[in-house]
Amino acid sequence: KAGVTQTPRYLIKTRGQQVTLSCSPISGHRSVSWYQQTPGQGLQFLFEYFSETQRNKGNFPGRFSGRQFSNSRSEMNVSTLELGDSALYLCASSLPREGTDTQYFGPGTRLTVL
Amino acid sequence: QKEVEQNSGPLSVPEGAIASLNCTYSDRGSQSFFWYRQYSGKSPELIMFIYSNGDKEDGRFTAQLNKASQYVSLLIRDSQPSDSATYLCAVTMRSYIPTFGRGTSLIVHP
Repeated sequence: KAGVTQTPRYLIKTRGQQVTLSCSPISGHRSVSWYQQTPGQGLQFLFEYFSETQRNKGNFPGRFSGRQFSNSRSEMNVSTLELGDSALYLCASSLPREGTDTQYFGPGTRLTVL
Repeated sequence: QKEVEQNSGPLSVPEGAIASLNCTYSDRGSQSFFWYRQYSGKSPELIMFIYSNGDKEDGRFTAQLNKASQYVSLLIRDSQPSDSATYLCAVTMRSYIPTFGRGTSLIVHP
């Protein structure tokens, strides 16, 4: 079974721009979560989508948004980029309600904001 | 207040030794516990999960859970240099969205 895929793998943007990241979950997984990972803050939860609905949200500003499509693929958008948004953005998929709620991570998108 | 705590390390062990990684959590209602390994520049990969008190073994890895003391640990037997990585503890509390610790850096030296 193919794993979680994320595109692009690397991005370089400048302050004020916006960016869209994409995630395709493991086949059959309906939950997609997004995380930001930085050396200073560790792995922080952004939001989770299930059946095209945002079900959980972390403590990030409204510049961070996401959506999920009917095929469970998800996108994350960051508007008005700031230098502090430079991070590794990780997508994870899971198959909840089977008692495991285990999250499987994609390779991540490395975003650099100049 | 941090909800999942790990010693940042680095924890340095010789090849062949047992590495012991620990994690404490704040919410007594926590239900699921996970250990992930993350190599530098890579994404976290699941090692194992545990739900019930006691030990769970998978190859060279053993997870130990003690809900009364609110800690979970990971033992790596016969440590190899390839085990050198950051180990993340994750705990699901009020929701099934896991909260991650900051990770413990493990160095296995030949």
